[in-house]
Amino acid sequence: GENVEQHPSTLSVQEGDSAVIKCTYSDSASNYFPWYKQELGKRPQLIIDIRSNVGEKKDQRIAVTLNKTAKHFSLHITETQPEDSAVYFCAACSGYALNFGKGTSLLVTP
Amino acid sequence: KAGVTQTPRYLIKTRGQQVTLSCSPISGHRSVSWYQQTPGQGLQFLFEYFSETQRNKGNFPGRFSGRQFSNSRSEMNVSTLELGDSALYLCASSLGLSGAYEETQYFGPGTRLLVL
Repeated sequence: GENVEQHPSTLSVQEGDSAVIKCTYSDSASNYFPWYKQELGKRPQLIIDIRSNVGEKKDQRIAVTLNKTAKHFSLHITETQPEDSAVYFCAACSGYALNFGKGTSLLVTP
Repeated sequence: KAGVTQTPRYLIKTRGQQVTLSCSPISGHRSVSWYQQTPGQGLQFLFEYFSETQRNKGNFPGRFSGRQFSNSRSEMNVSTLELGDSALYLCASSLGLSGAYEETQYFGPGTRLLVL
């Protein structure tokens, strides 16, 4: 089955800096890659997603890049703010299942 | 529209018992997926239902089962509970247009299960 690796597991940045989270996947048939943000005690919420026919997608301070050849995709958050502090999960869609990475705990310090 | 709802929100059971969790998707959504979330393993896919049919199943033992009703509501059942089943169980729903799966999945608040 699909295996998704996510790095780093924890990330601490200062407010205003950029944060980058990287994921790799194993199933070349995976074609949909969402990113979810989960704040403490809350449900995961989709923040951005990308499909396999697109290399990059941006939404304000958030961007995702996909390299299908290398089977990796990354989340980029610019101008980080304290409210960006949360756990971020990447996922890869393969055969009616979303396979998640183990998450990155991002801490943005003022 | 109301979001995905799950009941109960919290549950305490003892080893060997069984439990049934319920998920009501967003109105109009036909696909429901279930996930187990634990601190060590993160979010792990359990199974997915579309139009009352299980389309995919994750790598969990047969003690974990589910079903979906004609109104798209779904239940999951865990029999013969073990201590390691303690987790947050999340369901997520999506439109399921034309049977597609690559759509935004909206998560419920989860059911926190503690097995003693």
